[in-house]
Amino acid sequence: LAKTTQPISMDSYEGQEVNITCSHNNIATNDYITWYQQFPSQGPRFIIQGYKTKVTNEVASLFIPADRKSSTLSLPRVSLSDTAVYYCLVVIPSGSARQLTFGSGTQLTVLP
Amino acid sequence: EAGVAQSPRYKIIEKRQSVAFWCNPISGHATLYWYQQILGQGPKLLIQFQNNGVVDDSQLPKDRFSAERLKGVDSTLKIQPAKLEDSAVYLCASSLAFSGRFEQFFGPGTRLTVL
Repeated sequence: LAKTTQPISMDSYEGQEVNITCSHNNIATNDYITWYQQFPSQGPRFIIQGYKTKVTNEVASLFIPADRKSSTLSLPRVSLSDTAVYYCLVVIPSGSARQLTFGSGTQLTVLP
Repeated sequence: EAGVAQSPRYKIIEKRQSVAFWCNPISGHATLYWYQQILGQGPKLLIQFQNNGVVDDSQLPKDRFSAERLKGVDSTLKIQPAKLEDSAVYLCASSLAFSGRFEQFFGPGTRLTVL
């Protein structure tokens, strides 16, 4: 299982773009990259997933370079409500056993 | 669409006592997961069910933890007897069995404190 490494914490100001980078050096050919967000006293929530290049949805973008050894979650114009822990996960798409292995995540604090 | 329901939300017990947590997944989700989240850490998978069968319980401390999913819907996680190190939030999640998205839907969790 590919190990992920991401910063423990990041600070940003309201209205800025935030980029959180995750490294996954031993990602396998068929693995996918997903990101989850967790607010205090809540369970994690799916944000985005990708395999290569760029994926964008209504809340974030995910950039994955050609070698796939890292990925960057981009949050455009963050607000105070984006303060949360963000988890980068590598997922092995093996049938029904699509297990998520969470690391310690990145605590993002958005300041006014 | 109703989300994943869990109860109770909070539980305080003394060590060596027993405790049980209940989870009702999203309707139609065949896969159900129980996670343990210790303060400051990411969630750790304890057990995964596919319908009412166990897919993976390799990280479940089977000497004290047990889980069942009768009729492939609701699930119960039990700890007997509890230890101080079991203090954590227990999260239940569910997902579609086969989907292009690796999306699990999490409940609010049960915060367990063992004294």
